[in-house]
Amino acid sequence: SQTIHQWPATLVQPVGSPLSLECTVEGTSNPNLYWYRQAAGRGLQLLFYSVGIGQISSEVPQNLSASRPQDRQFILSSKKLLLSDSGFYLCAWSVLHGYTFGSGTRLTVV
Amino acid sequence: GEDVEQSLFLSVREGDSSVINCTYTDSSSTYLYWYKQEPGAGLQLLTYIFSNMDMKQDQRLTVLLNKKDKHLSLRIADTQTGDSAIYFCAERPGGSYIPTFGRGTSLIVHP
Repeated sequence: SQTIHQWPATLVQPVGSPLSLECTVEGTSNPNLYWYRQAAGRGLQLLFYSVGIGQISSEVPQNLSASRPQDRQFILSSKKLLLSDSGFYLCAWSVLHGYTFGSGTRLTVV
Repeated sequence: GEDVEQSLFLSVREGDSSVINCTYTDSSSTYLYWYKQEPGAGLQLLTYIFSNMDMKQDQRLTVLLNKKDKHLSLRIADTQTGDSAIYFCAERPGGSYIPTFGRGTSLIVHP
């Protein structure tokens, strides 16, 4: 079956520290992968998407980067976190009839 | 440009029907989706409708699509307290793999 794993579920990090969030999918090959951020206003902001290994498209300029070292692995990173990076981060992959989301990571930068 | 609009809040009584509305602007949309997000969780796909359909029913859920007016609605029959959540409308434009999401409607179900 097709599943998506995202971890950790919660994270508290100090300002200036690095970040690495990981997302993996199972049961499919060559998926389109996405990173979203959901801030306090609840809307979903697309951060990055990837259509294949090593192919990353960024939707907005920011303090974050993404990488896709393997077909079913998508990583969200930062070298130095800012307070404004706090939020709920969601990984997703797309199928024809919809997008399947991970359970999310609640990041609090203090 | 692409834009998806939905009202932010809806309050209903348990047992009543809920209708959540959404409007979109991209006439090339191929698929339209409804997602449900419970507190602290990711988004769960509830249902979708292809743009050449005008209605889809799945148990308590009914989706209506008015392509001329670019209006999508989700009706939940016999709303229960477990239906309390944020509901997101989303569209996928033709030729794109990037969906556009609305800001979500908070459905509050009270006894």
